[in-house]
Amino acid sequence: AQSVAQPEDQVNVAEGNPLTVKCTYSVSGNPYLFWYVQYPNRGLQFLLKYITGDNLVKGSYGFEAEFNKSQTSFHLKKPSALVSDSALYFCAVRDPNRDDKIIFGKGTRLHILP
Amino acid sequence: DSGVTQTPKHLITATGQRVTLRCSPRSGDLSVYWYQQSLDQGLQFLIHYYNGEERAKGNILERFSAQQFPDLHSELNLSSLELGDSALYFCASSVRAGGNTGELFFGEGSRLTVL
Repeated sequence: AQSVAQPEDQVNVAEGNPLTVKCTYSVSGNPYLFWYVQYPNRGLQFLLKYITGDNLVKGSYGFEAEFNKSQTSFHLKKPSALVSDSALYFCAVRDPNRDDKIIFGKGTRLHILP
Repeated sequence: DSGVTQTPKHLITATGQRVTLRCSPRSGDLSVYWYQQSLDQGLQFLIHYYNGEERAKGNILERFSAQQFPDLHSELNLSSLELGDSALYFCASSVRAGGNTGELFFGEGSRLTVL
């Protein structure tokens, strides 16, 4: 069965510093991987995805993520954090051979300190 | 605005009661997913419907049921409610007839409080 792990409940980063939010996954085949962001009292918003091709994918708001097949990881990154990036971030995986489920990690709360 | 509409936004009810949450997917989307978000459990997958048919079940209790209607809207029915059912329930849609790009589009959620 597919699964996603986000090992950090919370990440604190100073404004202007680079940020990384970690995600590892387990899936039987080649995964489809996603990052979503949730602001307070809102639904989740899609940030970026990896389906195939270049291991570095770019998404909304200056975020990017690197797919590493050997480490089964898909870490979210941003070169320079903004206070407005503070939110809850979710990694998700879909097994394309089993289109039925999209499984989310527990989420990582990102705090950008001014 | 994701294009996914959920009603009601807030619901307060008592233990033992039954409620129905409604979801209208983005225009043209065939898939509807339901998720439960609670503080200690994160985002739990409940159930997935595609074009009216159930495609997958996750951690959905037997007291909960769902369906997707011919117009593609979906309802999640929660019965014999318990205090622990208090959570935010999200609906998400995906998969237009022209192709599946994979990402989900979420509604704003229905916050259920069981007293």
